[in-house]
Amino acid sequence: NAGVMQNPRHLVRRRGQEARLRCSPMKGHSHVYWYRQLPEEGLKFMVYLQKENIIDESGMPKERFSAEFPKEGPSILRIQQVVRGDSAAYFCASSPPGTRGEQYFGPGTRLTVT
Amino acid sequence: SQQGEEDPQALSIQEGENATMNCSYKTSINNLQWYRQNSGRGLVHLILIRSNEREKHSGRLRVTLDTSKKSSSLLITASRAADTASYFCATDSGAQKLVFGQGTRLTINP
Repeated sequence: NAGVMQNPRHLVRRRGQEARLRCSPMKGHSHVYWYRQLPEEGLKFMVYLQKENIIDESGMPKERFSAEFPKEGPSILRIQQVVRGDSAAYFCASSPPGTRGEQYFGPGTRLTVT
Repeated sequence: SQQGEEDPQALSIQEGENATMNCSYKTSINNLQWYRQNSGRGLVHLILIRSNEREKHSGRLRVTLDTSKKSSSLLITASRAADTASYFCATDSGAQKLVFGQGTRLTINP
């Protein structure tokens, strides 16, 4: 059973470009979460999605950031017109339906904005 | 200060010694979880303790939870060099989103 997969692992973008981060949850998991980690800090919740629905996006910046989890395919975190402050590690986690417990984390995507 | 604050921020001990890390939080919780993160890597889930539990063990790990004090501790016994990592507590208040602390950076010296 493969774990949570994220790609790319490293992404370099120039200011103003778009960044697309992908997350494939564990098999059988229908809940996906995105977190952001700035250097030397803990993870900060961004968004919680289920298939085709955004459940909680209270941690998402109001502008430039969007997330989706389509019926088919991976979850996508999209950052438009990136700025230097978007440089961080972005982690995806998944959990199975009907549980309130641990989340399984992917290896993360390290975004660097130059 | 934030929900889920770890203490100390950094801890350096000799191999074989025990390491204790503490976590405090502010709001009521459903469960509290501890994660490990090796440098530049993703998070590995260590242990989950529910709000109605007081203590839990897993191998060399022992976690306690005191809901009256809104605090938890993680004890790693007989530490090894491979335990060198950052350790985070994360609280779940029932909304399915985890709130992480800043972490404790643990260094095990051979």
